[in-house]
Amino acid sequence: DAKTTQPTSMDCAEGRAANLPCNHSTISGNEYVYWYRQIHSQGPQYIIHGLKNNETNEMASLIITEDRKSSTLILPHATLRDTAVYYCIVRVGSRDDKIIFGKGTRLHILP
Amino acid sequence: KAGVTQTPRYLIKTRGQQVTLSCSPISGHRSVSWYQQTPGQGLQFLFEYFSETQRNKGNFPGRFSGRQFSNSRSEMNVSTLELGDSALYLCASSPDRGLGTEAFFGQGTRLTVV
Repeated sequence: DAKTTQPTSMDCAEGRAANLPCNHSTISGNEYVYWYRQIHSQGPQYIIHGLKNNETNEMASLIITEDRKSSTLILPHATLRDTAVYYCIVRVGSRDDKIIFGKGTRLHILP
Repeated sequence: KAGVTQTPRYLIKTRGQQVTLSCSPISGHRSVSWYQQTPGQGLQFLFEYFSETQRNKGNFPGRFSGRQFSNSRSEMNVSTLELGDSALYLCASSPDRGLGTEAFFGQGTRLTVV
C-alpha cells in the first residue's frame, strides 16, 4: 500500500502558486520524498525529491516539515500545461526501486 | 541525452496470444523497472532488473516475465493474454544503486487485448 495520503483533486488559478500537500506520517529515516506528475496518457515525469531539507529546482520547490511527516510541492506560477495528476511517493531510492504509487492529486489549472 | 525509449507505442493483440515489450533505458542507467497502469488499479509495480538480475517483483501472475540484457535494455513478456491485461505498460530507468536517485519513465506501450 502507498505510504502517502494526498487530496483527490485541487484547483489553482493560472499564474498563481499551486501548493500540493502530502502526508507521510510513517516515513522512515532513510526514505526520501519524491514527486512525479503524469499528464494524460504519458509516462510519469520526475519533478523533485528531498530527504529533510527544502529543495528547489527549475520546475518546483519541495517543503518538508521538520518532523518529516508531511510535505508540500509548490509550483510557483502554474500554467495550463501543469494540469496533471501529481504523485507523492516515499522511497529509499535505487536500493529499493519498487515505487508504490497512490492515487495522486488531480490538479486542474483554471484559466 | 536520450530519454527512456519504449517500443512499440501501441499494440493490439488477441486473447491467448503472447506479447513482448521493449525498453531502452537512459545511457548509463543499469536499473530498469516495469509498471502496469489501468484505470481501475492505477500504477502497479511489475518487476525491477539491475545488472541482468531481477531484484524486485510485484504481485502479478507468472504469465508476466521479464529480462535484462548486458546493455541494460529490458524486455517484458506476457503470455496467454487476457482482456484484463489491456493497459499502459511503463518502463523506468535509474542510475547505479544509490540513495535518493530519481527514476525516469518512458512514454509507455499501450496494449489492447481483444
